[in-house]
Amino acid sequence: EIVLTQSPATLSLSPGERATLSCRASQSVSSYLAWYQQKPGQPPRLLIYDASNRATGIPARFSASGSGTDFTLTISSLEPEDFALYYCQQRSNWPPFTFGPGTKVDLK
Amino acid sequence: QVQLVESGGGVVQPGRSLRLSCAASGFTFSTFGMHWVRQAPGKGLEWVALIWYDGSNTYYADSVKGRFTISRDNSKNTVYLQMNSLRAEDSAVYYCARDLWGGDPNWFDPWGRGTLVTVSS
Repeated sequence: EIVLTQSPATLSLSPGERATLSCRASQSVSSYLAWYQQKPGQPPRLLIYDASNRATGIPARFSASGSGTDFTLTISSLEPEDFALYYCQQRSNWPPFTFGPGTKVDLK
Repeated sequence: QVQLVESGGGVVQPGRSLRLSCAASGFTFSTFGMHWVRQAPGKGLEWVALIWYDGSNTYYADSVKGRFTISRDNSKNTVYLQMNSLRAEDSAVYYCARDLWGGDPNWFDPWGRGTLVTVSS
């Protein structure tokens, strides 16, 4: 099973600042990695798939990169609605599809 | 628009069974794989099960294998999760999610709003 780790666990920032979230896989997942955003009381929402492709309707301030074992999600300038939990997920080697433990972006 | 609506959650005693349903609309259901993903209170996401678009293949997390069964009725645009021998650790919000595109399993999008299952005596 591929294990995903995310860092930091919590990122405390202010609106307008840049957020950089990391996801590391226990073995190569090639580009088979996605990022999801989850707000309290809501289901997750797909942000990025195949490591760097924005899903439909996702603002351009969200970007992502990486391949193999190291991946990054960047929010260029935080908007108030971006404070949330972010999960990475792999589909390179399944089952199971695995998620990282999440990074919480909260208000500083 | 694409919509997934889960139902069937509730409070159940350990060892008992429960069947969840996920009603889909707004897309050609029979061409997309479907997943169940769960989230225990205050915890992260755990993939539970996948069913191929035509029902020909199913896959499970080790934590539920042999106890849970995923199925679908393409004539009713509905996917099910039959949960037997429930344990306290199965308590979670259960989400159904569609594959982003048809064909081989891929990404989870969109998601339903979830249904809460609580296993407690």
